Amino acid sequence: SFVLTQPPSLSVAPGQTARITCGGKNVGGRSVHWYQQKPGQAPVLVVHDDSDRPSGVPERFSGSNSGDTATLTITRVEAGDEADYYCQVWDTDSEHYVFGTGTEVTVL
Amino acid sequence: QVQLVQSGAEVKKPGASVKVSCKVFGNTHTKVSIHWVRHSPGKGLEWMGSFDPEDGEFIYAEKFQDRVDLTEDKSTVTSYMQLSNLRSEDTAVYYCARGYCVGGVCYREYFLDYWGQGTLVTVS
Repeated sequence: SFVLTQPPSLSVAPGQTARITCGGKNVGGRSVHWYQQKPGQAPVLVVHDDSDRPSGVPERFSGSNSGDTATLTITRVEAGDEADYYCQVWDTDSEHYVFGTGTEVTVL
Repeated sequence: QVQLVQSGAEVKKPGASVKVSCKVFGNTHTKVSIHWVRHSPGKGLEWMGSFDPEDGEFIYAEKFQDRVDLTEDKSTVTSYMQLSNLRSEDTAVYYCARGYCVGGVCYREYFLDYWGQGTLVTVS
């Protein structure tokens, strides 16, 4: 089945930019969605359809998707952005919704 | 405001079954796509199955196909997830979430915009 690979962890200083990648074969041909999950809480949608932000999500969160890599970018990182982040697609071949392996973002 | 409210925590013995409910409040759409996702300790998110109102079908992850049963009660706008033959590795937080898409027809291209609070299922 379709596999989405993310780096297990990422550390970033406050005020800097975090780029979280999501790799998969021709993922650029699919719609990618991103979720933020803090410890003990339910996931929260932060980007849908590659680059659209739900209302209430700061403009600091943005997404892009091309070729074999989708990217979630967080600019001007804050302590409150510390969380696990997951990408997700619908795989038509297997008829499964697939989550990426997840990236733990630590704010130094 | 859409809200999904799940049933409370459960403790089950190996081999038993568990049934988790998910009631939807504030949804203005006539049809709702509900998805079930679990989060095991130290692991990532795992999609288990969902209901697609566009064709009335339930679809299941191959891993859970033989053990999970999803049902819907339209009269109370409540969805249910039953997992049978529980084992210790099923200990996890189980979430329901609303599937949504931009545009009239989704063709299964849902993203999960509202989530329940999660239900901890402990198998021991």
